[in-house]
Amino acid sequence: GAVVSQHPSRVICKSGTSVKIECRSLDFQATTMFWYRQFPKKSLMLMATSNEGSKATYEQGVEKDKFLINHASLTLSTLTVTSAHPEDSSFYICSASGASTDTQYFGPGTRLTVL
Amino acid sequence: AQTVTQSQPEMSVQEAETVTLSCTYDTSENNYYLFWYKQPPSRQMILVIRQEAYKQQNATENRFSVNFQKAAKSFSLKISDSQLGDTAMYFCAFLNNAGNMLTFGGGTRLMVKP
Repeated sequence: GAVVSQHPSRVICKSGTSVKIECRSLDFQATTMFWYRQFPKKSLMLMATSNEGSKATYEQGVEKDKFLINHASLTLSTLTVTSAHPEDSSFYICSASGASTDTQYFGPGTRLTVL
Repeated sequence: AQTVTQSQPEMSVQEAETVTLSCTYDTSENNYYLFWYKQPPSRQMILVIRQEAYKQQNATENRFSVNFQKAAKSFSLKISDSQLGDTAMYFCAFLNNAGNMLTFGGGTRLMVKP
């Protein structure tokens, strides 16, 4: 149990375009979903937290207009990188936790490359 | 704010041997949760073990066990009978009592040698 999927696993786009990443909890209801960013050989940095049906809470230094997060259902959250630039290239990981557990289960990540 | 420190950037161990990864943290909270996650080359984060701060008994999961010292704010991971598949980055993580902030350490890269 506690499987989280992410799509796409890898995306390459041109500078200025927008990219949407989906995060789904497959076998449990995710009351809270989290989005992280991981630079090469570094730890995970929390970008934002989203609760189903509510606006996301962004960490300091994360532009909410650039990284749009939607958590429309208990099994789906999306991260849209708007007007992507090469400095947005990174590994983005989502995680999800349910109402009955504080443990976060992670998706497999999405590698974004902006040319 | 919580901080998590992993003082060993890299470690290696021979197959079948035992290795201990260190983790210390700083918090003013009394109730919280601690985790060890494994990130193999695939980069999928995998939960290894979980410890609730109010439980004195150290958590164990097969070959993985922790030494939780609450007063010292220490949470080390012991891997027994190391296997080649244990080669990965290991992250120690602290979850606050509210459950809305998971703070990661910098990671320890573990190499299991045949």
